[in-house]
Parts: sequence; structure tokens; C-alpha cells
Amino acid sequence: QDQLVQSGAEVKKPGASVKVSCKASFYTFTSYGINWVRQAPGQGLEWMGWISPLNGNTNYAQKLQGRVTLTTDTSTSTAYMELRSLRSDDTAVYYCARDDCRTTSCRIYYGMDVWGQGTTVTVSS
Amino acid sequence: DIQMTQSPSSLSASVGDRVSITCRASQSISSYLNWYQQKPGKAPKLLIYGASSLQSGVPSRFSGSGSGTDFTLTINGLQPEDFATYYCQQTYNTPPEGTFGQGTKVEIK
Repeated sequence: QDQLVQSGAEVKKPGASVKVSCKASFYTFTSYGINWVRQAPGQGLEWMGWISPLNGNTNYAQKLQGRVTLTTDTSTSTAYMELRSLRSDDTAVYYCARDDCRTTSCRIYYGMDVWGQGTTVTVSS
Repeated sequence: DIQMTQSPSSLSASVGDRVSITCRASQSISSYLNWYQQKPGKAPKLLIYGASSLQSGVPSRFSGSGSGTDFTLTINGLQPEDFATYYCQQTYNTPPEGTFGQGTKVEIK
């Protein structure tokens, strides 16, 4: 069964950076897009950005532009999300999720059908 | 940016009830609307894509309708396992993106 497996929980100090991984299994990594979504404690879902493993093209939420970088390693079928200059309000569970778009000209139609288990990132001094 | 507004933010219902949740987009998004269910401590689960298409494996008591700016998720015959938070999501824009509504928590009456 297609799956995404994320790296473990992280605790960081304000101002630091964090890099979360998301490893895909049992499907062709470059045939789908990868999104990153986060959820602060007790809050709703916030879309952070999208990357095409096919060509590395990205789209970021305006709110996070300049602080977040999405990358992929096709040799290991792994996607990465790096968030810099961490603040306390970046404390959240971070999810990766697969969609049906491979290019920037595509609209996601079939939703985000496979999700990672989530990675808790805690930012605290 | 396209804003998504869900209502109500929470509701109480009994097993067997018919429940409807609405989602409104700030501009037309055609049928690029998805619904997710999330239980505490778990990742969201895709229920409906394309406004009305049932994701594989999702029970038929879940249905979606609407197009343009107004959408509805309906649960016919609420089951104990359906008590959860539900989110709508628009995926209309290019490059790909996916703004979520604020969520609707369905609780036991």
C-alpha cells in the first residue's frame, strides 16, 4: 500500500532551523506531487507548500515565503521540508501529503490521498 | 488568495442523524473542492474529491455536492466512528496549492 513515512519529533530553540523528511514507498515518487501541511496545537490545517519530485518546481504559501524550502531526493524517494528562523508559533505537527500534480500548470483534482504520520516540531527556549 | 469558510464550526448530533456541513469559497473554484476527516492525533483522511467523488474505501453514507462557491458535505446515518473534525479544501489555483477551511467538529449529543 502506498505510504509516506516521516522522520521523528524535533525540539528546537527559537531562531534555529528544522528539516523534516518524508519517505515514499510502493509508488513511483516522480508521478505525484508532495504537499506540506501543518497543524498548531488545537488549531486547523495550514497548507505550507508544494513540490514536484519530477522537476523540483515549488509553490510556497505567501506567509512562509523566505523561511521554508522544499526539496526532494529522487534516489531515495524522499521529500524534505526545511523551516528556518523558528518561532514559538511554528510549534505544530507537520504532515507531508501526496497529490496528483506533477507540474506547476496542474490543478490538484483528486485531493491529497496519502499522508505521512506527522512530525511534531516543538520550538521552545 | 482564495478564502474558505466552513459552517458551523461545531455541531452536536446523535448516532443515526443526517448531518450537513457547508463550505463557501471567496471566489468560484469550479469543482476543485475536497473534504477530509481528522480524528485526534491522526493525519487527515481524504473523503471526497472533485466536490462529489467518493474516495475509494470511504463509506457511501458520505456524500458531497456543490460547485462554484458553495459546497456541502452530508453524512447520512451518523455512525460512532464519524465523530471527528471535518475540513474542506480548495485546490483550484495553479501552481498547485490547497487552502483549508477552519474545520467543523462533529460531537456526540
